[in-house]
This record gives sequence, C-alpha cells and structure tokens, in this order.
Amino acid sequence: GAVVSQHPSRVICKSGTSVKIECRSLDFQATTMFWYRQFPKQSLMLMATSNEGSKATYEQGVEKDKFLINHASLTLSTLTVTSAHPEDSSFYICSARVMGQGNNEQFFGPGTRLTVL
Amino acid sequence: QQPVQSPQAVILREGEDAVINCSSSKALYSVHWYRQKHGEAPVFLMILLKGGEQKGHEKISASFNEKKQQSSLYLTASQLSYSGTYFCGTEFMDSNYQLIWGAGTKLIIKP
Repeated sequence: GAVVSQHPSRVICKSGTSVKIECRSLDFQATTMFWYRQFPKQSLMLMATSNEGSKATYEQGVEKDKFLINHASLTLSTLTVTSAHPEDSSFYICSARVMGQGNNEQFFGPGTRLTVL
Repeated sequence: QQPVQSPQAVILREGEDAVINCSSSKALYSVHWYRQKHGEAPVFLMILLKGGEQKGHEKISASFNEKKQQSSLYLTASQLSYSGTYFCGTEFMDSNYQLIWGAGTKLIIKP
C-alpha cells in the first residue's frame, strides 16, 4: 500500500522559533498533498492544498506567511511554521493523493505533534 | 458545507452493532470513511462513488444513497479494535480533491 511519512513525529520548540515539518510519499508520486491541523477532540481542519511545482492554495483564515508550504518534488512537501507561538501547538497531519489514480483516496502521514512553549 | 455526522458518540459492548451516518445538504461526488485512534493519523476504510453503492465486507461496510447525499457506515459484531473516532470526508465535483470532514463519531467498545 501507499506509505506517507512525516518527520518529525514530535517537536517542542520555544516561542518565536520556526519549525519545519516534512511529508514524504515513500512508494508513489503525489501531485497533490494536503496539510491539516487537528485540535484535541476535533475534526481535521484543512490548512492548504499543495501541488507540485506551484504555489500552495491556502484555506480562508490560514496565514500563508506564517505557514510556508513548499512542494518541491512529487514525493516531498514541507510545512514551515514561522515564528511559532503557543497557539500554534497542534497535531499537524499531511495526506497525499496518488498521481493518476481515478479515485481520490488519500494516504495520511502519521502526524506531527507540535508543542510551542 | 460541512457534512453532518451522527451520532456524536456511541458506547457498545463487544459484539454489538453500530451505524454511523454522514449527511450532506447537496449531492456529493464521493464519500470517504476513515478511522482515527487517539494520537494517530486517520486510517482509510473505504470510498463510495456511486449512488446506491454498498461496499465493504460483512464486518465493516458502508452505503451511499441514490441521491448521493447520505452515507452510512455499518459496524457489525464490533470488536475492541474498532474503537476510535470515525470521520466521513466528503468531496464535491468541483472541490479540487479536497475533502470536507464531518465532526467525527467517537466509538467506544467495552469488553
């Protein structure tokens, strides 16, 4: 099956620092990757849609300058949380869509737990 | 446009059945079902694309009604491993592959 990895799985950082989260599709090419954040006991909230080679499309209310997304290749997308603050603490999850697959099955990474002190 | 999931939570004894519903105010292109355990990423269960479709196996199956506005997930003879939060993700024709997620249904299975 299609595997998506995320790194790091957990990160604790000080307020004001930047954190980069990587999302990789390990055995398939993903033209489209999605970034979500999830607060405890809540649903997944789509932050942005990332297409390889083009600018990410951000959802309303998500600051593009704060959450920088780079989809440099068909297997890698990165999310950088710049100048992180405690309110950015959350569970960040990426998903990837298999290129050329007729349906829209998305494969999720294991998630990154970010804690900003 | 967020789909409405019901119930919010279910507590069952092992071996009992459950039904989780996901409703949309307008016709969908597809419905996805995922299960998420605490602290982990969602795990794919199935996708339904056609109106009137039924999918899955005897233990975990799902249906999509003819109008493509409602889907139900059926959990039969539940096992402890079925515990978790179930989410439906809905896709519209023009949504650029984006899924809009329901609020989730928390399922607790007791021995």
